[in-house]
Amino acid sequence: GNSVTQMEGPVTLSEEAFLTINCTYTATGYPSLFWYVQYPGEGLQLLLKATKADDKGSNKGFEATYRKETTSFHLEKGSVQVSDSAVYFCTRTGANSKLTFGKGITLSVRP
Amino acid sequence: GAVVSQHPSRVICKSGTSVKIECRSLDFQATTMFWYRQFPKKSLMLMATSNEGSKATYEQGVEKDKFLINHASLTLSTLTVTSAHPEDSSFYICSAPGTGPSTDTQYFGPGTRLTVL
Repeated sequence: GNSVTQMEGPVTLSEEAFLTINCTYTATGYPSLFWYVQYPGEGLQLLLKATKADDKGSNKGFEATYRKETTSFHLEKGSVQVSDSAVYFCTRTGANSKLTFGKGITLSVRP
Repeated sequence: GAVVSQHPSRVICKSGTSVKIECRSLDFQATTMFWYRQFPKKSLMLMATSNEGSKATYEQGVEKDKFLINHASLTLSTLTVTSAHPEDSSFYICSAPGTGPSTDTQYFGPGTRLTVL
């Protein structure tokens, strides 16, 4: 079946540090891949997406590349800010527009 | 952009009572909406798919008689937790897929925190 595996958290970084959050997915079908973010006290919102192999999604300094050969969609940011502190979810589409979520990872950025 | 609202944002109820949660797409139509539970360690579990004009489809292990879903219109889906018990306390979230080129993107409501005493 469809699944998404995220690296274990939480992650704590200092401001301006480099961020990588690993995500791999099961290679069933031709999924679209997403990173959703949940800021404290808010609902989930789309951070970025990629719909086919080799696509790169980017937003707010974050990037992720759809790697079919490694079934990965790792999230990166060159210099994190305190305002990036949130929970990040890697997800993939399945049948009937259903999303399969990774477990989520909490990022805390220290000033 | 597409906005999804939920009401109420928080509800506290006594054990044995029923609670209704509304999910609305504010500026777009949604023939399909999804309901999730978010557990304390943050993972989201898809509960069911709400379909306008037809019955909801439930994920394996989700009791359809306990979690009643009604998709009354193209902009409203409701989740009713019947005879709620403390173990039903959770954060319930709905989402709706976008339209046009954004059909693969889900727009999430802000969630409803249910506490059953």
